[in-house]
Amino acid sequence: QPVLTQSSSASASLGSSVKLTCTLSSGHSSYIIAWHQHQPGKAPRYLMKLEGSGSYNKGSGVPDRFSGSSSGADRYLTISNLQSEDEADYYCETWDSNTHVVFGGGTKLTVL
Amino acid sequence: QVQLVESGGGLVKPGGSLRLSCAASGFTFSDYYMSWIRQAPGKGLEWVSYISGNSIFTDYADSVKGRFTISRDNAKNSLYLQMNSLRAEDTAVYYCARDQPPYYYGSGTYYMGIDYWGQGTLVTVSS
Repeated sequence: QPVLTQSSSASASLGSSVKLTCTLSSGHSSYIIAWHQHQPGKAPRYLMKLEGSGSYNKGSGVPDRFSGSSSGADRYLTISNLQSEDEADYYCETWDSNTHVVFGGGTKLTVL
Repeated sequence: QVQLVESGGGLVKPGGSLRLSCAASGFTFSDYYMSWIRQAPGKGLEWVSYISGNSIFTDYADSVKGRFTISRDNAKNSLYLQMNSLRAEDTAVYYCARDQPPYYYGSGTYYMGIDYWGQGTLVTVSS
């Protein structure tokens, strides 16, 4: 079954950019993943679906500041021009016919 | 717009039961697989269960298999989770979520992850 690995925390300054990483386990490097944002006290929000080619498809209303890219087994979420409201937990997620929805451990993003 | 609104959470004693509901609107409910996902305090997200649009297919995480039952009523645009034999480790915020339609890629591989979430309902299992 696929395993997704994320750093537990990241930080960046207001107005700067940050690149979060999600790494797929061996044998699953071609898998599509999704990125979700979870702000404290709010419903999680789907940000985008990201393919191994680097092609991504964003959810409704997701700002242009959010983009995705891929390299091998790594999937990235880049947030440009960081805003205070971007401070949140970010989860990557994938899907497998045996295990269904699988989540990474999440990255807590702090905006300095 | 798509809306998912959970209800039914609360405080229950170990061994007790609870039924969660999720009211869906803004899309053709019967066309979509739906899932329940939970987040225990201080922990990450954990998939709990899913059900197909016609209720034929269901599956559960090993941690809840045999204790939880997922169901839906397409006439009422509603999703349910019956939780029995509750344990302290079931304490979590439970989210209703819509699964994306199958997206085929590679050789026979497809993706059906989550594209909409509800706001969640808190279940606390404690004596």
